[in-house]
Amino acid sequence: NAGVTQTPKFQVLKTGQSMTLQCAQDMNHEYMSWYRQDPGMGLRLIHYSVGAGITDQGEVPNGYNVSRSTTEDFPLRLLSAAPSQTSVYFCASSRDRATGELFFGEGSRLTVL
Amino acid sequence: SQQGEEDPQALSIQEGENATMNCSYKTSINNLQWYRQNSGRGLVHLILIRSNEREKHSGRLRVTLDTSKKSSSLLITASRAADTASYFCATARSQGGKLIFGQGTELSVKP
Repeated sequence: NAGVTQTPKFQVLKTGQSMTLQCAQDMNHEYMSWYRQDPGMGLRLIHYSVGAGITDQGEVPNGYNVSRSTTEDFPLRLLSAAPSQTSVYFCASSRDRATGELFFGEGSRLTVL
Repeated sequence: SQQGEEDPQALSIQEGENATMNCSYKTSINNLQWYRQNSGRGLVHLILIRSNEREKHSGRLRVTLDTSKKSSSLLITASRAADTASYFCATARSQGGKLIFGQGTELSVKP
């Protein structure tokens, strides 16, 4: 089992560019989520999904879009990148809804110039 | 807004010593979890303690939960250099529960 796979691992964008961070899990988990990690801020929830076709906002959703067309995939789209979106992004999934044990990917480090 | 706050922010100890990290939170919870993050890696789940539990053990880890004080502690006994990492508590709120993470404790274990 690969677990949770995130791509790319590193990305540099210019302000205003758009891009998609990919996340896939092979554990048949219904719940998937995206967090961003910034120094001194811990992890903050961006968006989450409790199943295919269902998504909802977390603590810091502005500037990001998500969709969940399949159980396996949960991509995160940056619509118009800003320097404030420079961060490390983590995708996580859980078998037991939103409050269960989370399985994390290795992260995607994004720099916006 | 952050639900959990860890204390201390950083901790440096010698191999063989015990390490204690604390987490405080603000609202009622369904459960509290602890995670470890090695430098440059994703988070790894360590232990989950439910709101009706007071103590839980897993190997060298001991977690306590005091819901009256809204606090939890993680004790790592007989620490090893390989325990060097950041440790995060995460709380699942009773209402509309999603996992909310604290800012973490950075543990350094010197050989």
